Amino acid sequence: KAGVTQTPRYLIKTRGQQVTLSCSPISGHRSVSWYQQTPGQGLQFLFEYFSETQRNKGNFPGRFSGRQFSNSRSEMNVSTLELGDSALYLCASSLEWNTGELFFGEGSRLTVL
Amino acid sequence: AQSVTQLGSHVSVSEGALVLLRCNYSSSVPPYLFWYVQYPNQGLQLLLKYTTGATLVKGINGFEAEFKKSETSFHLTKPSAHMSDAAEYFCAVGSGGYQKVTFGTGTKLQVIP
Repeated sequence: KAGVTQTPRYLIKTRGQQVTLSCSPISGHRSVSWYQQTPGQGLQFLFEYFSETQRNKGNFPGRFSGRQFSNSRSEMNVSTLELGDSALYLCASSLEWNTGELFFGEGSRLTVL
Repeated sequence: AQSVTQLGSHVSVSEGALVLLRCNYSSSVPPYLFWYVQYPNQGLQLLLKYTTGATLVKGINGFEAEFKKSETSFHLTKPSAHMSDAAEYFCAVGSGGYQKVTFGTGTKLQVIP
């Protein structure tokens, strides 16, 4: 069974640009969560989607948005990039909503110059 | 509200020695508790979980954790450290419903040969 797939794995952007990250969950998993990981702040929850609906949202500005498609694949978008957005963005899927048993992808490492 | 405190951002042990990583949680409802491990440049992997039932939980790679409600703790142990255990370990708490899963700040385990 394929794991959680995140694309792209690495990307470099400049301030003011926008970025879209993609996540394909494990087959059959209906919940997708996104986390931002930085050395200073650790793992911070961005949002969680289940059946195309956002169920939970973390404390991030509106520049961070996401969505989930009918096949459970998810995307997150960051607009007007800032230097502080440089981070590892992790996607995790789970069979049901908010069980805590998360299966993580390897992440998308974003560098903002 | 729920939170997790991991004591010690860095822990060093000798190969073959006992591994003890500390985690205390706060939750207003019966918690779900988890330990995850992250190897360099990878996503997080579930080590073990506690939801209900037996308070001593066994996980992968010889790790186990004990849920102690009276101490609000969920410490992770392994009798004998192996070089391959060097990684960062995250404790997490969830409670189902509308509460998101909250991660601790992580403990980096160094294993000294």
